[in-house]
Amino acid sequence: TQLLEQSPQFLSIQEGENLTVYCNSSSVFSSLQWYRQEPGEGPVLLVTVVTGGEVKKLKRLTFQFGDARKDSSLHITAAQPGDTGLYLCAGNTGTASKLTFGTGTRLQVTL
Amino acid sequence: DTEVTQTPKHLVMGMTNKKSLKCEQHMGHRAMYWYKQKAKKPPELMFVYSYEKLSINESVPSRFSPECPNSSLLNLHLHALQPEDSALYLCASSSSRSLNSGANVLTFGAGSRLTVL
Repeated sequence: TQLLEQSPQFLSIQEGENLTVYCNSSSVFSSLQWYRQEPGEGPVLLVTVVTGGEVKKLKRLTFQFGDARKDSSLHITAAQPGDTGLYLCAGNTGTASKLTFGTGTRLQVTL
Repeated sequence: DTEVTQTPKHLVMGMTNKKSLKCEQHMGHRAMYWYKQKAKKPPELMFVYSYEKLSINESVPSRFSPECPNSSLLNLHLHALQPEDSALYLCASSSSRSLNSGANVLTFGAGSRLTVL
């Protein structure tokens, strides 16, 4: 079983602060994705990273895939209340159809 | 149409009931998935259908029975469930191109929240 550990598990910050969420594994992934899930909804894809060392930016969100393709990070600049939600990393390994989710990071951004 | 639609949104059932969860997509995706998500936990894979054939069963108890009548529909039949089966059941789909790319991207429905009494 490929385990994806996320840290921190829970983060409560004020509007305007910066934060970083980490996703770590001992397994190598062909790709890694980040999803955000809001209460009562399914996860929504934010980004996919496929190349070791890759950095992708989505407005105030910056995603990085580790050089060895075993880990990833999500950095949010100047967090806003609309960023509140459950952030999930997810990885593909040998079986492409099997997407394994990380343990999740619950983010709360207050005014 | 870029949505995955799940019905019902909420379901309450007794342990002796038989019910079904339904999922529909019209994006031409040929892979469909059932995930189970307990409160404050990540989604856990249950079943994968690829080209209407069951390709992955993650050792799910037989009281959960999946069915893929055609490429747009996915059902999950429920019978003799236990209270610990109460959870959010998420359906997802992905395209065959995505499936073969090594970066399989899933589109999720909003889920069916199941309560077993």
